[in-house]
Amino acid sequence: GAVVSQHPSRVICKSGTSVKIECRSLDFQATTMFWYRQFPKQSLMLMATSNEGSKATYEQGVEKDKFLINHASLTLSTLTVTSAHPEDSSFYICSARRGAQDTQYFGPGTRLTVL
Amino acid sequence: DAKTTQPNSMESNEEEPVHLPCNHSTISGTDYIHWYRQLPSQGPEYVIHGLTSNVNNRMASLAIAEDRKSSTLILHRATLRDAAVYYCILRKQGGSEKLVFGKGTKLTVNP
Repeated sequence: GAVVSQHPSRVICKSGTSVKIECRSLDFQATTMFWYRQFPKQSLMLMATSNEGSKATYEQGVEKDKFLINHASLTLSTLTVTSAHPEDSSFYICSARRGAQDTQYFGPGTRLTVL
Repeated sequence: DAKTTQPNSMESNEEEPVHLPCNHSTISGTDYIHWYRQLPSQGPEYVIHGLTSNVNNRMASLAIAEDRKSSTLILHRATLRDAAVYYCILRKQGGSEKLVFGKGTKLTVNP
């Protein structure tokens, strides 16, 4: 149990376009979901935390108008990278958990390449 | 969140035990010690966690020092599929909710 999926696994887009990444908890209800970003040979950097039905809480330095997060249901959160630029190219990973005491389960990641 | 220190890299041979150390000298009484690992081009995978007592599961064992200022993740028989970056993370129960990743230890397993 505790499977988290992401879609798409890989996306290539042109500079200036917007890209939406979906994160789903397949066999549990996730009250909290997290979005991370990972550049090559670096560790994961937390971007934002979202609770179902509430606005996301962004980490310092992460532009909330550029990285739109929606957590509309207990099994789905979306990250939209608006007006993407080459420097937004990265590996985006979501994670989810049932409650505050629960383990965080991670998705397989989405590789975004902006040309 | 309290900080952890891990070696940048370690090597092991297949079918031999691996001991991955983690120092967390500023750990507080409510910090749980979590271990995750990340295989290449994948999201992190939960391995194990503990508070004070040693813990075992099907993936690994976690040995926690008596003063809790260090811990060791033990893979009893390394396989090539265990090659990954291993992250030791402190997470406060009932307080800060975020998992903050450090640089981790890159484990190479030689055939």
